[in-house]
Amino acid sequence: QKEVEQNSGPLSVPEGAIASLNCTYSDRGSQSFFWYRQYSGKSPELIMFIYSNGDKEDGRFTAQLNKASQYVSLLIRDSQPSDSATYLCAVSDSWGKLQFGAGTQVVVTP
Amino acid sequence: DTGVSQNPRHKITKRGQNVTFRCDPISEHNRLYWYRQTLGQGPEFLTYFQNEAQLEKSRLLSDRFSAERPKGSFSTLEIQRTEQGDSAMYLCASSPEPSTNEKLFFGSGTQLSVL
Repeated sequence: QKEVEQNSGPLSVPEGAIASLNCTYSDRGSQSFFWYRQYSGKSPELIMFIYSNGDKEDGRFTAQLNKASQYVSLLIRDSQPSDSATYLCAVSDSWGKLQFGAGTQVVVTP
Repeated sequence: DTGVSQNPRHKITKRGQNVTFRCDPISEHNRLYWYRQTLGQGPEFLTYFQNEAQLEKSRLLSDRFSAERPKGSFSTLEIQRTEQGDSAMYLCASSPEPSTNEKLFFGSGTQLSVL
């Protein structure tokens, strides 16, 4: 059983629209949640992290966390072609070790 | 701050050969992680170090895999008697201190192809 679940996509988003990515996790003891962006052939790059229930905004990105529902999401506003990538959800276990989902591929169409 | 450095970037080897990868973490980062990633999957945890101590190894890591971090600085990952199933991107990451709020900084990875 996978511990971190994401829709694989691809998620097709028109340029300028909002991309909404979802992630669920199984470990109720998880404390920290991360979103990484990975371009094809490149390594993951941290774009957002969230520790508390609610929303956290950073530029065009908003992370949302609901620990009761074991759900974390990422919104990308005003999507740009450069946002086309795979977005990895990662959850920290009680030892601080990250577990990754399989990623959601986002394609922003002009 | 030069970031996490991994060498080589690409490695092609024949089945049965041994390979070794090197990772240089960001200086003063105490934690160093090795992950493996195959196409269409997220990074899969292999092992990690706190300074020179290896704290955990994934049960997925067979006896053919060994990792070291002899002086708490750079790390090496060795795969003995490689198999075609070992073909993957091997990613190294470091983080500044032990914490449940781990922010990992990844290197560019080593792409291994076993023929």
